Amino acid sequence: NAGVTQTPKFQVLKTGQSMTLQCAQDMNHEYMSWYRQDPGMGLRLIHYSVGAGITDQGEVPNGYNVSRSTTEDFPLRLLSAAPSQTSVYFCASSYGQNQPQHFGDGTRLSIL
Amino acid sequence: KNEVEQSPQNLTAQEGEFITINCSYSVGISALHWLQQHPGGGIVSLFMLSSGKKKHGRLIATINIQEKHSSLHITASHPRDSAVYICAAPGSTQGGSEKLVFGKGTKLTVNP
Repeated sequence: NAGVTQTPKFQVLKTGQSMTLQCAQDMNHEYMSWYRQDPGMGLRLIHYSVGAGITDQGEVPNGYNVSRSTTEDFPLRLLSAAPSQTSVYFCASSYGQNQPQHFGDGTRLSIL
Repeated sequence: KNEVEQSPQNLTAQEGEFITINCSYSVGISALHWLQQHPGGGIVSLFMLSSGKKKHGRLIATINIQEKHSSLHITASHPRDSAVYICAAPGSTQGGSEKLVFGKGTKLTVNP
C-alpha cells in the first residue's frame, strides 16, 4: 500500500494562477481532510469529506474548492492564488470518525 | 470550537532523560490524538486515546477526560526522538478525526 500520496511535493505559482493539489489514498478510507500548516500556527482544517460525494468546509475554506468523486481521490483547487496561500498543505485520511489519521508527505506551495 | 493548548513550546533534553509534553483542550471530546512531525516534515500518528493510558515502546500517552488534559511521556529519550510533537482533538463534541483542531506543537531536541 502506498498510503496517502500527495502531488506535487513543491510548487511555485504567480498571484492569480490556479492549480490543483492532488491527494490519493489506497486504504479505502471514507474520511479525508486537507490542512494547511503555517509557521507559528497549528495545522488548520481547510475542507473535509466523510465519503464520496460529501464535502464540507473547515476552519479556513476561503479561496479553496474540493470535490470527492471517488473514495480514493480528494483534490484541492486553488481558484486564484494569493500570497496568503503560501503554506505547506497536508492531506490526511482515516477509516472512520474516531480512527487514527494517515498523512501524506505534504505539498510546499509558494505564491509570488 | 475546541481550543487546544500545548506546553512547553520548546524542550531541550539530554539523552536518557524522561520527557513530558502536556496538552489541554476546552471541549469534551471522544478521542485525542498525538502526532509526531519529523524534521523532514512528515507527520505520523502516535496515539489516539479516549481514556486511561496507552504505551508504545518508550512512548506513553495518558488522558484525563474530566480535567480535559493529556500528557505524552518519553522514557529514556534518544536523539532520534527529536521532532515536533502535536496534540489534536475533534473541533466539537460531535466531531471526529475528519475535523481535528491542532495544538501548535512542542519542538523536542534531545542532545547526545
